[in-house]
Amino acid sequence: EAQVTQNPRYLITVTGKKLTVTCSQNMNHEYMSWYRQDPGLGLRQIYYSMNVEVTDKGDVPEGYKVSRKEKRNFPLILESPSPNQTSLYFCASSLLAGENIQYFGAGTRLSVL
Amino acid sequence: AQSVAQPEDQVNVAEGNPLTVKCTYSVSGNPYLFWYVQYPNRGLQFLLKYITGDNLVKGSYGFEAEFNKSQTSFHLKKPSALVSDSALYFCAVRDRGSTLGRLYFGRGTQLTVWP
Repeated sequence: EAQVTQNPRYLITVTGKKLTVTCSQNMNHEYMSWYRQDPGLGLRQIYYSMNVEVTDKGDVPEGYKVSRKEKRNFPLILESPSPNQTSLYFCASSLLAGENIQYFGAGTRLSVL
Repeated sequence: AQSVAQPEDQVNVAEGNPLTVKCTYSVSGNPYLFWYVQYPNRGLQFLLKYITGDNLVKGSYGFEAEFNKSQTSFHLKKPSALVSDSALYFCAVRDRGSTLGRLYFGRGTQLTVWP
């Protein structure tokens, strides 16, 4: 089954404790992206990757890191999480950018205390 | 700057009535335009997109959207709403002339269809 898998689905952590949210897709897509969803703000793009070893900033990259060492995986790293990073995070992938539709993971709800 | 506006946070309609969810955009070039839907506790799902050609685009679940270049709008429509259409709807835009992969989403519109 074609899918985008995020883990964990729920995470509660404390300020400053490094964490990684994993994202994996099995569709051989070149384009992958991370978004955060906040009430009243919609989805905002954090980082995206056009291909392996190619990443770029979205709207709200501060406090986040990503890597794309292989095509299927695109982890989101929070080196020192802060309470303002409490949010719902989505990973998405598409064959390419352009007019291609994105497939979304089920989401990761992160709470930073 | 690229942006997407969904002027209504909420749209309420009675089942069987037509519905419209509005979207306007601002991009420097010609856009690719998308609608996505989010059901509770789920990720977003693709509904439809505009690439080129006919301004009226048909998508999943009986939804359609009309591209209006002069008004820079891409409103989502359905002739007869169902209670099961109740969800959060997002409009998104990408500049086709850009080599970047940025995709811009609106804030979302909560659609409620009551029986």
